[in-house]
Amino acid sequence: SQTIHQWPATLVQPVGSPLSLECTVEGTSNPNLYWYRQAAGRGLQLLFYSVGIGQISSEVPQNLSASRPQDRQFILSSKKLLLSDSGFYLCACGDRGRGELFFGEGSRLTVL
Amino acid sequence: AQKVTQAQTEISVVEKEDVTLDCVYETRDTTYYLFWYKQPPSGELVFLIRRNSFDEQNEISGRYSWNFQKSTSSFNFTITASQVVDSAVYFCALSGSGSARQLTFGSGTQLTVLP
Repeated sequence: SQTIHQWPATLVQPVGSPLSLECTVEGTSNPNLYWYRQAAGRGLQLLFYSVGIGQISSEVPQNLSASRPQDRQFILSSKKLLLSDSGFYLCACGDRGRGELFFGEGSRLTVL
Repeated sequence: AQKVTQAQTEISVVEKEDVTLDCVYETRDTTYYLFWYKQPPSGELVFLIRRNSFDEQNEISGRYSWNFQKSTSSFNFTITASQVVDSAVYFCALSGSGSARQLTFGSGTQLTVLP
């Protein structure tokens, strides 16, 4: 079964600073990859998904971006963080057959 | 557009009570998938179950059971004889059958099981 690793686990950044969250997957190949954000209040919002290397779809316009440089690597970035970027970021992996997603441990970002 | 509604924001029960978490969904897809996830305090989402739109059989797994009713667009989750370890936020989710399979989540239900 697949394992999803995310880092860093916790991050405190000032407004206007850059961001890079990394997600790597083991135990599967050619997965669909996803970035979700969970703000205070629990709702899970899909930010980006990727069905292959270099293929990124954005669900919500914002100052974040995503990249997939390798089959099992998914990176979430920002050039300049906003206060509203604070939240819990979850990377997920899924296959096209079964449909369920498996999630990493999450990265908690606080922007001050 | 797809939508998942979990009307119960918070539920508290005493240990050993049964509890049902409600989930109502909206979709125009004829083929779709429904899911339940558990999020303990650690934050990681744990997959519990997947159901496809063609299978309305109810499912039981230990103390967990799921009731899928297409007629009412509901996919409810019951925990029998609840335990303190069941305390978590529970999410219902929906996806279509496209290759991307992105999930649309409900807002979650915080379940607290008191000893």
